[in-house]
Amino acid sequence: SQELEQSPQSLIVQEGKNLTINCTSSKTLYGLYWYKQKYGEGLIFLMMLQKGGEEKSHEKITAKLDEKKQQSSLHITASQPSHAGIYLCGADPEVGGGADGLTFGKGTHLIIQP
Amino acid sequence: NAGVTQTPKFRILKIGQSMTLQCTQDMNHNYMYWYRQDPGMGLKLIYYSVGAGITDKGEVPNGYNVSRSTTEDFPLRLELAAPSQTSVYFCASRRDGYTFGSGTRLTVV
Repeated sequence: SQELEQSPQSLIVQEGKNLTINCTSSKTLYGLYWYKQKYGEGLIFLMMLQKGGEEKSHEKITAKLDEKKQQSSLHITASQPSHAGIYLCGADPEVGGGADGLTFGKGTHLIIQP
Repeated sequence: NAGVTQTPKFRILKIGQSMTLQCTQDMNHNYMYWYRQDPGMGLKLIYYSVGAGITDKGEVPNGYNVSRSTTEDFPLRLELAAPSQTSVYFCASRRDGYTFGSGTRLTVV
């Protein structure tokens, strides 16, 4: 079965600084999802990457997929308090998505210090 | 608004009680899922369904049951609640991408 390892597990960053979160898979990545979760709330979809080398951006968040490394990275530029929360990566088990859903990493807790 | 609706949002159960977590989607998605989220553990798949009348076990199915009589509804049943089932439960549906519900926070005491 596929396993996703997220690093770091937790991160404290001063407001305005850049940061990167990584998600490394034990198997080939066919589709990689990034979600953000505010404490005690639901999952907010950020981005989905499908192709090796693909890069997507939304506001100050950029995600990349390195197919060879079986890894995705999430980069936040000029962090703000609104970026605080738990970031989760989830992977599809096959092309187009498997019947049995996403496998998730354990999450990265991001704290933004003023 | 279209999406996945979960009820209740919060619930406290006593050990041995039973309850059903409701999940409804109005997007006509065939694939539906139940996950549980424990602190520091990400989301783990409990059960999933690829269409009405078809369900299958995920990674952590023990202590739970599901049914899928319609495309819209995918309820999760806890028969004899145990403290280990204290968790946050998320329902999701999928077509091209995944849509998650807002979650049910369950505490078993």
